[in-house]
Amino acid sequence: NAGVMQNPRHLVRRRGQEARLRCSPMKGHSHVYWYRQLPEEGLKFMVYLQKENIIDESGMPKERFSAEFPKEGPSILRIQQVVRGDSAAYFCASSPTADRANSPLHFGNGTRLTVT
Amino acid sequence: DQQVKQNSPSLSVQEGRISILNCDYTNSMFDYFLWYKKYPAEGPTFLISISSIKDKNEDGRFTVFLNKSAKHLSLHIVPSQPGDSAVYFCAAASQGGSEKLVFGKGMKLTVNP
Repeated sequence: NAGVMQNPRHLVRRRGQEARLRCSPMKGHSHVYWYRQLPEEGLKFMVYLQKENIIDESGMPKERFSAEFPKEGPSILRIQQVVRGDSAAYFCASSPTADRANSPLHFGNGTRLTVT
Repeated sequence: DQQVKQNSPSLSVQEGRISILNCDYTNSMFDYFLWYKKYPAEGPTFLISISSIKDKNEDGRFTVFLNKSAKHLSLHIVPSQPGDSAVYFCAAASQGGSEKLVFGKGMKLTVNP
């Protein structure tokens, strides 16, 4: 009964490169949320996806960031032309429904992105 | 604009005593509140939640209290155990929308043996 799986756990990129972060939700979960945690900060919402659809991307930077959750395969958070300020821990969470009262979010262990 | 605030960055208590973690919020649209626990290098783990129609929810050693008029909630852990040492995040959601969670900055709890 695997939980939310994120890979890689650690990712090092040079400025200007692309970063791809992958998230496989728990079995039976079709709702995926991405969060970013900067040092000494809480988790900040980035984007909410449901299979093949972006539901809420109000927390995503307007440029360089994109997310998808295809019909088959994991959800991908893509950061193009990374800058040092993108260094953070990126967490993915999933749930079977969008009803927080009955289905809390389950989080993966995160991907720690370091931009050099 | 921080909608969920955890004003104390850390708390240290003795094993067996009570730990009280506080959280304030500003958005009156929030109607569901959760506490998550996080160990280093791991993702947050759901601990306990409370709906705005209640003022208390208890689960074993953990109790969450909600004071809607003060826009304040607290997590009580009693008795505290060394394994409870972690960072605790308060989070809030508004039902009916995307129900994304808005998190506080977290508070580091240390329980000393």
